[in-house]
Amino acid sequence: GQQLNQSPQSMFIQEGEDVSMNCTSSSIFNTWLWYKQDPGEGPVLLIALYKAGELTSNGRLTAQFGITRKDSFLNISASIPSDVGIYFCAGQLLGPGGGADGLTFGKGTHLIIQP
Amino acid sequence: DGGITQSPKYLFRKEGQNVTLSCEQNLNHDAMYWYRQDPGQGLRLIYYSQIVNDFQKGDIAEGYSVSREKKESFPLTVTSAQKNPTAFYLCASRRRAGTGSGNTIYFGEGSWLTVV
Repeated sequence: GQQLNQSPQSMFIQEGEDVSMNCTSSSIFNTWLWYKQDPGEGPVLLIALYKAGELTSNGRLTAQFGITRKDSFLNISASIPSDVGIYFCAGQLLGPGGGADGLTFGKGTHLIIQP
Repeated sequence: DGGITQSPKYLFRKEGQNVTLSCEQNLNHDAMYWYRQDPGQGLRLIYYSQIVNDFQKGDIAEGYSVSREKKESFPLTVTSAQKNPTAFYLCASRRRAGTGSGNTIYFGEGSWLTVV
């Protein structure tokens, strides 16, 4: 199926630092979703974006739906130890293509916080 | 609480056995999905169902089977034909594919399957 390019693959940061990660594709999406997955648990929805240009916050998290509809970013401000985990993006393709009704996942960003 | 319930959380399978993972949702969602996740890997789609009594193969359907007899239930059977079944399995659902909030997919807590 269609791939989303998620970067970086991993991040090693100090507690208190800000974090930024993004997903890009050559295809157009009409929905972007961001998830956090803790070890051994299912992904939990952080932010959902439905309109190009939309900027949405959830506490210290902020995500934006790119104006071209081909990308999205997630920022975490003032990281804390419980932010450790894997962050996934997911996009819903606009139009035909892709797997499972056009839903496509990035491979994840591993966030590691050093004390 | 509303949500997606997967059971069991941990399951051990002997060689040659079939095992079934349960997935139940009370969100009144039309579409349900099964994904496989291996260490350090992304999510790979096994099967999905958009409506009761209908389901479609995903990218890695070989060695798996599903049924969708009820809207709220989408069990996954890992058959003996699946040669490397040890993995973390995730069930998910969403209201419908299309636009807006209906696209948002929600996940269960996952099930670990180990071959012994």
